[in-house]
Amino acid sequence: EADIYQTPRYLVIGTGKKITLECSQTMGHDKMYWYQQDPGMELHLIHYSYGVNSTEKGDLSSESTVSRIRTEHFPLTLESARPSHTSQYLCASSNPQGHYGYTFGSGTRLTVV
Amino acid sequence: KNQVEQSPQSLIILEGKNCTLQCNYTVSPFSNLRWYKQDTGRGPVSLTIMTFSENTKSNGRYTATLDADTKQSSLHITASQLSDSASYICVVSDRGSTLGRLYFGRGTQLTVWP
Repeated sequence: EADIYQTPRYLVIGTGKKITLECSQTMGHDKMYWYQQDPGMELHLIHYSYGVNSTEKGDLSSESTVSRIRTEHFPLTLESARPSHTSQYLCASSNPQGHYGYTFGSGTRLTVV
Repeated sequence: KNQVEQSPQSLIILEGKNCTLQCNYTVSPFSNLRWYKQDTGRGPVSLTIMTFSENTKSNGRYTATLDADTKQSSLHITASQLSDSASYICVVSDRGSTLGRLYFGRGTQLTVWP
């Protein structure tokens, strides 16, 4: 079944650690996105990609980085986690038109202690 | 400035009752409006999507309306169930860029009590 997967679902990690949040989709979508969401707040776009080897920063400044080596895979990396990075991170993908078929993963709840 | 405002911020209703959630937007040029349901700790799941020419769309007990002239939308939930407890997010897309930029509201937190 076509879907978008994020791992891990929950992550508690110490300050200074390097982490990678995984996101994979099986829908063949070219466009993929990372959003950050704090409780009770709207989603903020932090990274997006139009396709392989294409990555751009979103509206919200983030110390994280992303890569797009394969169409289906869009991992997000934090080189040195800090408590301010505590948040929910949501991955999404969309069809070529970008307007329909916009699908979100289940998210990763990151807590940095 | 492109914005999406939702009301109320939170709502508590009894199981079996109906409710209506509101969304006002200033996004231009308008492409489409979506309503998502987001359970706690999960990603948003699409309920409806409407383009400029559509003024109502249903998905089971969920009915969304759109007035593109006044830039308002509503989501009506009929015969609420405990599983309807979630955040409902209004999302508006513009057609001014190839990215298909999405503008998110903060959501209405709905709680359904037995």
